[in-house]
Amino acid sequence: DAGVIQSPRHEVTEMGQEVTLRCKPISGHNSLFWYRQTMMRGLELLIYFNNNVPIDDSGMPEDRFSAKMPNASFSTLKIQPSEPRDSAVYFCASSLRGYTGELFFGEGSRLTVL
Amino acid sequence: DAKTTQPNSMESNEEEPVHLPCNHSTISGTDYIHWYRQLPSQGPEYVIHGLTSNVNNRMASLAIAEDRKSSTLILHRATLRDAAVYYCILRGNQFYFGTGTSLTVIP
Repeated sequence: DAGVIQSPRHEVTEMGQEVTLRCKPISGHNSLFWYRQTMMRGLELLIYFNNNVPIDDSGMPEDRFSAKMPNASFSTLKIQPSEPRDSAVYFCASSLRGYTGELFFGEGSRLTVL
Repeated sequence: DAKTTQPNSMESNEEEPVHLPCNHSTISGTDYIHWYRQLPSQGPEYVIHGLTSNVNNRMASLAIAEDRKSSTLILHRATLRDAAVYYCILRGNQFYFGTGTSLTVIP
């Protein structure tokens, strides 16, 4: 079975541009998570969806970040406008059982903002 | 919020067992203890999880203290492919990954 699929794998953009990262969770999973990883801060949870509804977005850094899950098989994380400090690897993960189930991570999207 | 504490780094010789400790003194009764590992340039990978009893799977064993305030991930025979960052996290109302333990396996 296909795992969590993220795109793009790499993105290089200039400051001020809009960035959209995409995620397709594992079919049948009802929970989706967006994480950000940097050397300084490690893995940080940005937002958590359950049954397509955002449950906890307290980790979203600021209004420049937004996430949507229009259906059970697709989610986006958008940064507008992007800043150099947003450079990081962004991971999407899905889970079958919300708070307690094991997390399955995608390979990540490496974002570089110049 | 319940958080975990792990040593920053550990070393092990190849073919020997490795015990990776994790402290979670503020764990709540409903928090599951999960372990993940992250190989270079990859996303974290699930290893094992448990609630109260010790658990075994094909990858590792998880030993949970009776008071649940600590746990230990056991790799029975370390291989070079086990070199990774290992994260202990509590799954409940908390998704905090922490900095993990970087495991070096010496040939």
